[in-house]
Amino acid sequence: DGGITQSPKYLFRKEGQNVTLSCEQNLNHDAMYWYRQDPGQGLRLIYYSQIVNDFQKGDIAEGYSVSREKKESFPLTVTSAQKNPTAFYLCASSRGQQFFGPGTRLTVL
Amino acid sequence: RKEVEQDPGPFNVPEGATVAFNCTYSNSASQSFFWYRQDCRKEPKLLMSVYSSGNEDGRFTAQLNRASQYISLLIRDSKLSDSATYLCVVNEPSGTYKYIFGTGTRLKVLA
Repeated sequence: DGGITQSPKYLFRKEGQNVTLSCEQNLNHDAMYWYRQDPGQGLRLIYYSQIVNDFQKGDIAEGYSVSREKKESFPLTVTSAQKNPTAFYLCASSRGQQFFGPGTRLTVL
Repeated sequence: RKEVEQDPGPFNVPEGATVAFNCTYSNSASQSFFWYRQDCRKEPKLLMSVYSSGNEDGRFTAQLNRASQYISLLIRDSKLSDSATYLCVVNEPSGTYKYIFGTGTRLKVLA
């Protein structure tokens, strides 16, 4: 089955800790994205990557970092510098249309 | 002005009703347009792309009006299962891979 997987589905983190969210796709898409969604809000772009070994900041990149060493993988690290990390994180890939993974709910305790 | 604007709703309609949502966008050079559906606490899923000539998929019809810079979604014969948030998405002009999301319009279909 082709698609996008994200893990874990739920993640709890103590304040001050870095945490890495996984995103893998087997759709052979060049472009990948990370979004954040807060309750009752729209999607906000954190980072995106058009091709392997290249990525650009989105609208809310502060406190986050990414890497794109393989076409299939685009992990997101939420660092302790992110002030309000509790949110729903969505990974997507695209070729024309965007396809989303099931998301990771991060809660900072 | 926001890049992509939608009426947040909620739109509460009875089963069988016809309902329409509009979405306006600010960049006249935008090339591609989409409607996504998002259920509560789930990821957005593509409902349909929006083409210049308009397109239909069963009970759903999407239209694009470039002159007035808006897209619309019409749902006929609403079902309970249509209850969701509908997101308008605009692809920035060619040369970038960015997609701009509206905040969504919430639809509730009532029995």
